Amino acid sequence: NAGVTQTPKFQVLKTGQSMTLQCAQDMNHNSMYWYRQDPGMGLRLIYYSASEGTTDKGEVPNGYNVSRLNKREFSLRLESAAPSQTSVYFCASSLGPSYTGELFFGEGSRLTVL
Amino acid sequence: AQSVAQPEDQVNVAEGNPLTVKCTYSVSGNPYLFWYVQYPNRGLQFLLKYITGDNLVKGSYGFEAEFNKSQTSFHLKKPSALVSDSALYFCAVRVPNTGTASKLTFGTGTRLQVTL
Repeated sequence: NAGVTQTPKFQVLKTGQSMTLQCAQDMNHNSMYWYRQDPGMGLRLIYYSASEGTTDKGEVPNGYNVSRLNKREFSLRLESAAPSQTSVYFCASSLGPSYTGELFFGEGSRLTVL
Repeated sequence: AQSVAQPEDQVNVAEGNPLTVKCTYSVSGNPYLFWYVQYPNRGLQFLLKYITGDNLVKGSYGFEAEFNKSQTSFHLKKPSALVSDSALYFCAVRVPNTGTASKLTFGTGTRLQVTL
Protein backbone atom coordinates (compact mmCIF):
# COMPACT_ATOMS: atom_id res chain seq x y z
CA ASN A 1 0.00 0.00 0.00
CA ALA A 2 2.19 2.83 -1.31
CA GLY A 3 -0.02 5.90 -0.63
CA VAL A 4 1.71 8.98 -2.06
CA THR A 5 5.02 8.41 -3.84
CA GLN A 6 7.43 11.19 -4.76
CA THR A 7 10.52 11.07 -6.94
CA PRO A 8 13.33 11.92 -6.70
CA LYS A 9 13.99 12.00 -2.96
CA PHE A 10 17.10 14.14 -3.37
CA GLN A 11 18.29 16.45 -6.14
CA VAL A 12 21.05 19.00 -6.55
CA LEU A 13 20.71 21.57 -9.31
CA LYS A 14 22.72 24.49 -10.55
CA THR A 15 21.07 27.88 -10.90
CA GLY A 16 19.15 28.04 -14.16
CA GLN A 17 18.68 24.31 -14.59
CA SER A 18 15.24 22.79 -14.88
CA MET A 19 13.72 19.73 -13.32
CA THR A 20 10.40 18.02 -12.63
CA LEU A 21 9.28 16.48 -9.37
CA GLN A 22 6.94 13.56 -9.84
CA CYS A 23 4.10 12.56 -7.57
CA ALA A 24 1.67 9.65 -7.77
CA GLN A 25 -1.05 8.45 -5.44
CA ASP A 26 -2.84 5.12 -5.43
CA MET A 27 -5.76 6.00 -3.15
CA ASN A 28 -8.12 7.17 -5.91
CA HIS A 29 -8.06 10.69 -4.47
CA ASN A 30 -9.47 13.57 -6.44
CA SER A 31 -7.35 16.40 -5.03
CA MET A 32 -3.59 16.77 -5.04
CA TYR A 33 -1.23 19.44 -3.70
CA TRP A 34 2.37 20.59 -3.76
CA TYR A 35 3.84 22.22 -0.65
CA ARG A 36 7.29 23.47 0.22
CA GLN A 37 8.71 23.31 3.72
CA ASP A 38 11.29 25.81 4.89
CA PRO A 39 12.74 26.20 8.40
CA GLY A 40 10.67 28.54 10.54
CA MET A 41 8.00 28.94 7.87
CA GLY A 42 5.99 25.76 8.10
CA LEU A 43 4.38 24.43 4.95
CA ARG A 44 3.34 26.73 2.16
CA LEU A 45 1.08 25.71 -0.70
CA ILE A 46 2.60 26.11 -4.16
CA TYR A 47 -0.12 24.72 -6.43
CA TYR A 48 -3.05 22.41 -6.06
CA SER A 49 -5.42 20.42 -8.24
CA ALA A 50 -8.93 20.11 -6.85
CA SER A 51 -9.80 17.47 -9.42
CA GLU A 52 -8.43 15.90 -12.57
CA GLY A 53 -8.12 18.53 -15.29
CA THR A 54 -7.90 21.54 -12.97
CA THR A 55 -4.96 23.31 -11.35
CA ASP A 56 -4.79 26.49 -9.30
CA LYS A 57 -2.14 28.65 -7.70
CA GLY A 58 -1.49 28.50 -4.01
CA GLU A 59 0.39 30.84 -1.76
CA VAL A 60 3.83 30.75 -3.46
CA PRO A 61 3.45 29.76 -7.14
CA ASN A 62 6.12 31.98 -8.71
CA GLY A 63 8.86 30.01 -10.47
CA TYR A 64 6.84 26.80 -10.64
CA ASN A 65 4.47 25.07 -13.03
CA VAL A 66 2.34 21.99 -12.52
CA SER A 67 0.64 19.32 -14.59
CA ARG A 68 -2.16 17.05 -13.48
CA LEU A 69 -1.33 14.27 -15.86
CA ASN A 70 -4.23 12.05 -14.82
CA LYS A 71 -6.10 11.28 -11.62
CA ARG A 72 -3.06 9.58 -10.08
CA GLU A 73 -0.22 11.89 -11.06
CA PHE A 74 0.62 15.53 -10.32
CA SER A 75 4.03 16.89 -11.30
CA LEU A 76 5.83 20.07 -10.26
CA ARG A 77 8.29 21.72 -12.67
CA LEU A 78 10.99 24.25 -11.99
CA GLU A 79 11.83 25.86 -15.34
CA SER A 80 14.87 27.84 -14.20
CA ALA A 81 15.92 26.93 -10.69
CA ALA A 82 17.04 29.62 -8.25
CA PRO A 83 18.78 29.27 -4.86
CA SER A 84 15.58 30.54 -3.21
CA GLN A 85 13.91 27.33 -4.35
CA THR A 86 16.17 25.24 -2.15
CA SER A 87 13.63 23.50 0.04
CA VAL A 88 11.91 20.25 0.89
CA TYR A 89 8.91 19.65 -1.35
CA PHE A 90 5.92 17.60 -0.33
CA CYS A 91 3.16 16.24 -2.46
CA ALA A 92 -0.15 15.48 -0.78
CA SER A 93 -3.56 14.18 -1.74
CA SER A 94 -7.05 14.14 -0.31
CA LEU A 95 -10.33 12.50 -1.18
CA GLY A 96 -11.73 15.80 -2.32
CA PRO A 97 -11.35 19.52 -1.86
CA SER A 98 -13.81 19.75 1.01
CA TYR A 99 -11.11 19.52 3.68
CA THR A 100 -13.17 17.85 6.37
CA GLY A 101 -10.77 14.98 5.99
CA GLU A 102 -7.06 14.58 6.20
CA LEU A 103 -4.29 15.12 3.73
CA PHE A 104 -1.96 12.24 2.92
CA PHE A 105 1.64 13.26 2.35
CA GLY A 106 4.54 11.77 0.47
CA GLU A 107 7.92 11.48 2.14
CA GLY A 108 9.31 14.59 0.51
CA SER A 109 11.88 15.61 -2.09
CA ARG A 110 14.89 17.55 -0.86
CA LEU A 111 16.09 20.01 -3.49
CA THR A 112 19.28 22.03 -3.31
CA VAL A 113 19.96 24.76 -5.86
CA LEU A 114 23.56 25.95 -6.00
CA ALA B 1 -6.87 36.34 6.26
CA GLN B 2 -6.53 33.24 8.37
CA SER B 3 -3.43 32.45 10.37
CA VAL B 4 -2.07 29.95 12.84
CA ALA B 5 0.47 30.57 15.57
CA GLN B 6 2.56 28.00 17.37
CA PRO B 7 4.31 30.13 19.94
CA GLU B 8 6.92 27.58 21.00
CA ASP B 9 9.65 26.44 18.65
CA GLN B 10 10.47 23.56 20.98
CA VAL B 11 8.85 21.82 23.92
CA ASN B 12 10.88 19.60 26.21
CA VAL B 13 9.24 17.06 28.50
CA ALA B 14 10.32 14.02 30.46
CA GLU B 15 8.90 10.63 29.54
CA GLY B 16 5.81 9.85 31.57
CA ASN B 17 4.93 13.50 32.13
CA PRO B 18 1.99 15.20 30.44
CA LEU B 19 2.71 17.29 27.38
CA THR B 20 1.04 20.28 25.76
CA VAL B 21 1.84 21.78 22.38
CA LYS B 22 0.15 25.14 21.91
CA CYS B 23 -1.74 26.46 18.90
CA THR B 24 -3.80 29.60 18.44
CA TYR B 25 -5.62 30.67 15.32
CA SER B 26 -7.17 33.67 13.70
CA VAL B 27 -10.00 33.25 11.20
CA SER B 28 -13.19 34.90 10.08
CA GLY B 29 -15.83 32.27 10.67
CA ASN B 30 -15.88 28.86 12.25
CA PRO B 31 -12.64 26.95 11.75
CA TYR B 32 -11.70 23.43 10.89
CA LEU B 33 -8.58 22.62 12.92
CA PHE B 34 -6.00 19.90 12.44
CA TRP B 35 -2.84 18.51 14.01
CA TYR B 36 -0.18 16.73 11.98
CA VAL B 37 3.08 15.08 13.11
CA GLN B 38 6.30 14.80 11.14
CA TYR B 39 8.99 12.28 12.05
CA PRO B 40 12.54 12.81 10.74
CA ASN B 41 12.85 12.52 6.96
CA ARG B 42 9.17 11.64 6.60
CA GLY B 43 6.05 13.37 5.36
CA LEU B 44 3.38 14.75 7.63
CA GLN B 45 0.90 12.34 9.21
CA PHE B 46 -2.58 13.27 10.35
CA LEU B 47 -3.18 13.09 14.12
CA LEU B 48 -6.62 14.55 14.74
CA LYS B 49 -9.13 17.17 13.69
CA TYR B 50 -11.89 19.37 15.03
CA ILE B 51 -14.80 20.02 12.71
CA THR B 52 -17.76 20.49 15.02
CA GLY B 53 -19.26 19.00 18.17
CA ASP B 54 -17.32 18.11 21.32
CA ASN B 55 -14.54 20.50 22.11
CA LEU B 56 -12.25 17.65 23.17
CA VAL B 57 -11.18 15.50 20.25
CA LYS B 58 -9.15 12.32 20.47
CA GLY B 59 -6.73 11.16 17.85
CA SER B 60 -3.96 8.74 17.06
CA TYR B 61 -1.26 7.53 19.47
CA GLY B 62 -3.13 8.73 22.58
CA PHE B 63 -3.12 12.40 21.59
CA GLU B 64 -6.05 14.71 22.18
CA ALA B 65 -6.76 18.36 21.57
CA GLU B 66 -9.15 20.86 23.07
CA PHE B 67 -10.91 23.44 20.97
CA ASN B 68 -11.46 26.67 22.89
CA LYS B 69 -13.44 29.18 20.86
CA SER B 70 -13.18 32.04 23.35
CA GLN B 71 -9.39 31.76 23.46
CA THR B 72 -9.12 30.79 19.76
CA SER B 73 -6.88 27.91 20.74
CA PHE B 74 -6.49 24.27 19.83
CA HIS B 75 -3.75 22.88 22.07
CA LEU B 76 -2.46 19.36 21.57
CA LYS B 77 -2.14 17.23 24.70
CA LYS B 78 -1.11 13.81 25.88
CA PRO B 79 -1.37 12.57 29.47
CA SER B 80 1.90 10.62 29.45
CA ALA B 81 4.67 11.36 26.94
CA LEU B 82 6.81 8.72 25.29
CA VAL B 83 10.31 9.10 23.86
CA SER B 84 8.81 7.93 20.55
CA ASP B 85 6.56 11.02 20.54
CA SER B 86 9.62 13.16 19.76
CA ALA B 87 8.86 14.78 16.43
CA LEU B 88 7.77 18.01 14.73
CA TYR B 89 4.12 18.93 15.25
CA PHE B 90 2.07 21.19 12.99
CA CYS B 91 -1.25 22.84 13.65
CA ALA B 92 -3.38 23.79 10.64
CA VAL B 93 -6.62 25.69 10.11
CA ARG B 94 -9.16 26.11 7.37
CA VAL B 95 -12.40 28.02 7.12
CA PRO B 96 -15.03 25.91 5.36
CA ASN B 97 -17.15 27.07 2.48
CA THR B 98 -14.63 29.60 1.30
CA GLY B 99 -14.91 28.37 -2.25
CA THR B 100 -11.47 26.90 -2.63
CA ALA B 101 -9.56 23.91 -1.41
CA SER B 102 -6.37 25.83 -1.02
CA LYS B 103 -7.06 27.60 2.20
CA LEU B 104 -5.40 25.20 4.63
CA THR B 105 -2.90 27.25 6.60
CA PHE B 106 -0.14 25.57 8.59
CA GLY B 107 1.68 26.87 11.62
CA THR B 108 5.46 26.99 11.70
CA GLY B 109 5.75 23.80 13.73
CA THR B 110 6.81 22.89 17.26
CA ARG B 111 9.56 20.41 17.92
CA LEU B 112 8.70 18.07 20.79
CA GLN B 113 11.63 16.48 22.56
CA VAL B 114 10.82 13.76 25.09
CA THR B 115 13.70 12.57 27.25
CA LEU B 116 14.14 9.65 29.63
